[in-house]
Amino acid sequence: AQTVTQSQPEMSVQEAETVTLSCTYDTSESDYYLFWYKQPPSRQMILVIRQEAYKQQNATENRFSVNFQKAAKSFSLKISDSQLGDAAMYFCAYPHNNDMRFGAGTRLTVKP
Amino acid sequence: DTAVSQTPKYLVTQMGNDKSIKCEQNLGHDTMYWYKQDSKKFLKIMFSYNNKELIINETVPNRFSPKSPDKAHLNLHINSLELGDSAVYFCASSLQTGNTEAFFGQGTRLTVV
Repeated sequence: AQTVTQSQPEMSVQEAETVTLSCTYDTSESDYYLFWYKQPPSRQMILVIRQEAYKQQNATENRFSVNFQKAAKSFSLKISDSQLGDAAMYFCAYPHNNDMRFGAGTRLTVKP
Repeated sequence: DTAVSQTPKYLVTQMGNDKSIKCEQNLGHDTMYWYKQDSKKFLKIMFSYNNKELIINETVPNRFSPKSPDKAHLNLHINSLELGDSAVYFCASSLQTGNTEAFFGQGTRLTVV
């Protein structure tokens, strides 16, 4: 069974606008981490942001922030003031047993 | 000063050949992984090693054999390459299994012709 679900295969945003990428996950654990990774055309996997489940405060890294809803098992990524360099595949990820499980990804296009 | 480095970046080879991809991490991590990314960008775990010991072996053909000579290295050897093996292969490492982020190499694009 898929552990991480990203329901938006593609998203588009105007430069300088805000976009939110959705992610839901399935776990029976109470303490865990969640991650968003970015994969630009260079194909390098880059960690964007992490959230610790026991922290109620949503994580923020500059223009990137998350909306973490533990009860709903939802972990969305908000990108503010979108820039052309934000165009990439974005993957939600959850450490599962002994590896990292990834969603199917969302391709983000940024329009100038 | 790359944290996780894998070589080569590109590999083009004929069906039936045997090839290897090397991976090294200088982060002092205990755990290393191999992932396969298919043409639809889906990332699937293949193998996971912790301190040189295999802890995950997903449903991968036994033509794929990982080797970890020490905890800083995890190489992937592929025998009798098939067209369907064409993909991007990522090596990654993490401090420990289960609850920390993974750091990725730059990927190896394998094309089997």
